[in-house]
Amino acid sequence: EAGVAQSPRYKIIEKRQSVAFWCNPISGHATLYWYQQILGQGPKLLIQFQNNGVVDDSQLPKDRFSAERLKGVDSTLKIQPAKLEDSAVYLCASSLALVGYEQFFGPGTRLTVL
Amino acid sequence: GEDVEQSLFLSVREGDSSVINCTYTDSSSTYLYWYKQEPGAGLQLLTYIFSNMDMKQDQRLTVLLNKKDKHLSLRIADTQTGDSAIYFCAERLNDYKLSFGAGTTVTVRA
Repeated sequence: EAGVAQSPRYKIIEKRQSVAFWCNPISGHATLYWYQQILGQGPKLLIQFQNNGVVDDSQLPKDRFSAERLKGVDSTLKIQPAKLEDSAVYLCASSLALVGYEQFFGPGTRLTVL
Repeated sequence: GEDVEQSLFLSVREGDSSVINCTYTDSSSTYLYWYKQEPGAGLQLLTYIFSNMDMKQDQRLTVLLNKKDKHLSLRIADTQTGDSAIYFCAERLNDYKLSFGAGTTVTVRA
């Protein structure tokens, strides 16, 4: 079974530029998560989808971050415009369903904002 | 509350046991987890324990839960060089979100 795929693996941009990350969850997984992991910290949930609907986006800085999962499969996370403090690893995870199932994590996208 | 706290670093000799400690604040957490993160990789679920259990053993891993003190520990027996990684403690909150600690970096020395 293929794992969670993410691209790109690394991205370097200048502040005020835009960037987008892509995630392909494990086939059949209804729930998809985006986490932000700042160096030296644990992952922090940004947004959670159940199929193509948003379950929780309370921690997403909506003035600059957006995410979508149009067909309930792949998802993209966008930052526009980026700030220095957005430098982090962005992890995507998926699980079979919302409750009681293991979250499987992708390798992450490391973003550096200069 | 959503604070999960862990010590930041642990150095252990190969073949010895490692013990990683964690404290959490939400007494209503239903599940508590240990994840492992190797360099450049995502998080891998190592083990979990349900809140009504005191202990869980899985091969070289032993999880102890003290619900009264809100203390969780992970013991790795016969620690190997491949166990060098960052270990995250996480609690599942009532709204099903996971709250992670900052991670404990375990270094295994020969």
